[in-house]
Amino acid sequence: EVQLVQSGAEVKKPGESLKISCKGSGYSFTTYWIGWVRQMPGKGLEWMGIIYPGDSDTKYSPSFQGQVTISADKSISTAYLQWSSLKASDTAMYYCVRGIGYFNYWGQGTLVTVSS
Amino acid sequence: EIVLTQSPGTLSLSPGERATLSCRASQSVGSSYLAWYQQKPGQAPRLLMYGASSRATGIPDRFSGSGSGTDFTLTISRLEPEDFAVYYCQQYGSSPPYTFGQGTKLEL
Repeated sequence: EVQLVQSGAEVKKPGESLKISCKGSGYSFTTYWIGWVRQMPGKGLEWMGIIYPGDSDTKYSPSFQGQVTISADKSISTAYLQWSSLKASDTAMYYCVRGIGYFNYWGQGTLVTVSS
Repeated sequence: EIVLTQSPGTLSLSPGERATLSCRASQSVGSSYLAWYQQKPGQAPRLLMYGASSRATGIPDRFSGSGSGTDFTLTISRLEPEDFAVYYCQQYGSSPPYTFGQGTKLEL
């Protein structure tokens, strides 16, 4: 069974750094793209970027380029989404997803709250 | 970047009725690279349709998709109580970013 299991909810202060994770199982992690989708409170879905764990090829939405870093460690079948300096506007639910086009597998979501 | 515009923003219907949701792209998404998702409160989205008209695994046949180029439609033939949710379209036809529409809320 394909599963994407994300790390737990985070509460951070503005300016702090953060790295959240998504562990894939039940399939060959290195042969499927993994992506991240943001959902701000009460809002819609936003495509952030994707990574191919096999060679770490990464593609970002222009809206998120330079704001976050997507990475993967294929040795432990885990993808990451990272911020170096959080802002209050980063408060959102973040989903990891499998696929390069449409997404047929979704993680359970990681709620990130940034507040002073 | 392709912009997707969904209409209506909110659709108020009753169980047993037919729902028609629209998704319009700012430019052709090419070869019908259009997906639909359903999201219920507190849950992750679920893939309903891909390739504009192919149902994902386990999706009942009351859901159907159509369209090509810039205009796409999701139809729910006879609404069941569990179908009331928010629906998003997504295009994946050009190079990234593979954008989402803003959503249509289907309410009782």
